[in-house]
Amino acid sequence: NAGVTQTPKFRVLKTGQSMTLLCAQDMNHEYMYWYRQDPGMGLRLIHYSVGEGTTAKGEVPDGYNVSRLKKQNFLLGLESAAPSQTSVYFCASSEIYEQYFGPGTRLTVT
Amino acid sequence: GDSVTQMEGPVTLSEEAFLTINCTYTATGYPSLFWYVQYPGEGLQLLLKATKADDKGSNKGFEATYRKETTSFHLEKGSVQVSDSAVYFCAPGTLSGGYNKLIFGAGTRLAVHP
Repeated sequence: NAGVTQTPKFRVLKTGQSMTLLCAQDMNHEYMYWYRQDPGMGLRLIHYSVGEGTTAKGEVPDGYNVSRLKKQNFLLGLESAAPSQTSVYFCASSEIYEQYFGPGTRLTVT
Repeated sequence: GDSVTQMEGPVTLSEEAFLTINCTYTATGYPSLFWYVQYPGEGLQLLLKATKADDKGSNKGFEATYRKETTSFHLEKGSVQVSDSAVYFCAPGTLSGGYNKLIFGAGTRLAVHP
C-alpha cells in the first residue's frame, strides 16, 4: 500500500516551458488536492477534485490546470512556467476529513 | 475568511523539555481541528485531530484540546525528543462542497537538541 505518490520528485524548468506533475493514490479516495508550499507560508490549495472527471479551483489556481480522468490519478499542468511558480508541490487525497499527503515535488523555474 | 495563527518559530528546546505550540483560528461554522507534522524532506503527516469542542486529540505523546470558547488548539508534549524535530502545522477544516477544506498556518519549526 503505497499511499500517495508523486512524480517527479525534482524538476527544473526554464521560463515558458510546460510540464505535468502526476499524483497517484491507492486508497480509493474520492477527493484529491494539489497544494503549493512556499517558504514561511502554509500550504495553499491550487485545485481540487471531488471525484473522477471533476475539478475545481482552489485558492491560487492561476497558471495551473488539472485533470482527473481516473479516480486514482490527479494531474497538475503548467502550460507556461514562470519563476513565481518555483515552489514545492504537494498532492493529497481524502475521504471526508483526513487528508493524506504525498512526498512532494520540488520545482524550480529559472 | 477563515484563518489560523500559529506561534512563530523556530522553537529550540533541549531533549526532555516541555513543548507548547500555540494555535488560534477563525472559522465559520464548526470546524474540525488538525495538527500535521512535516519531517525534513517529507510530506505532511496527520499527527492528531479533534472534531468537537472539548475533545482531546493525542498521538506519540502529543496532545491538543479543542477549545471552542477561545478558538484555540494548542499542541503540547511533556518531554520532547530529538526525533520530534520537524515543522508543525495547525489546520482547521470546515466542510465545504462535500469535502474538508483545510486552512494551514505558516508552520512552526521545532528543533530539539540533545
